Amino acid sequence: AQTVTQSQPEMSVQEAETVTLSCTYDTSESDYYLFWYKQPPSRQMILVIRQEAYKQQNATENRFSVNFQKAAKSFSLKISDSQLGDAAMYFCAYRSTLYGGSQGNLIFGKGTKLSVKP
Amino acid sequence: DAGVIQSPRHEVTEMGQEVTLRCKPISGHDYLFWYRQTMMRGLELLIYFNNNVPIDDSGMPEDRFSAKMPNASFSTLKIQPSEPRDSAVYFCASSEYRDRAGRAYYGYTFGSGTRLTVV
Repeated sequence: AQTVTQSQPEMSVQEAETVTLSCTYDTSESDYYLFWYKQPPSRQMILVIRQEAYKQQNATENRFSVNFQKAAKSFSLKISDSQLGDAAMYFCAYRSTLYGGSQGNLIFGKGTKLSVKP
Repeated sequence: DAGVIQSPRHEVTEMGQEVTLRCKPISGHDYLFWYRQTMMRGLELLIYFNNNVPIDDSGMPEDRFSAKMPNASFSTLKIQPSEPRDSAVYFCASSEYRDRAGRAYYGYTFGSGTRLTVV
């Protein structure tokens, strides 16, 4: 079974600085999808960025980018020029490309709480 | 598109009462998921549907929980009877499961969740 581990329960960053959130996962599959979701205090789950395992190029969305290391099974999220609105829980998630059974499931890490200091 | 719509946003009920949570997925999405979020267990899948058919309900805690999807635009999660340990935030999410090549690609779109408190 796949697992997702976020080893940093809490992180803090100064406004305008850069922060990196860590995520590792365990799978025997060669093709899969990885996601970062943001959950602000409003509790809405917001998709931040996604990465297909078959792509070598790291995904980027504006100030958000990932460092995808497939061999190391690592998928970190970098937030550049941090803003007060970035303060939230961040969840790393894995999904198989296979169909059926529990393989359709998004498997989440426990989350990292990010605080942004003005 | 209005996104995934869940109701109610908050629900407070007494132990033993029946609770029904509702979800309207995004039109055209053929997968619907129910998740539960607690501090202790994080986000865990309860059940998911494909084309209105339940595919995997192995996450449903016990027989007190049931879920239905009578049509493509509506799903319910029912707890009967409710217990204090059922207190959590319940999320519904929907997904398109295919990209242009027919591969599973898109992330899920989540609703705003229902915060259930059972006293």
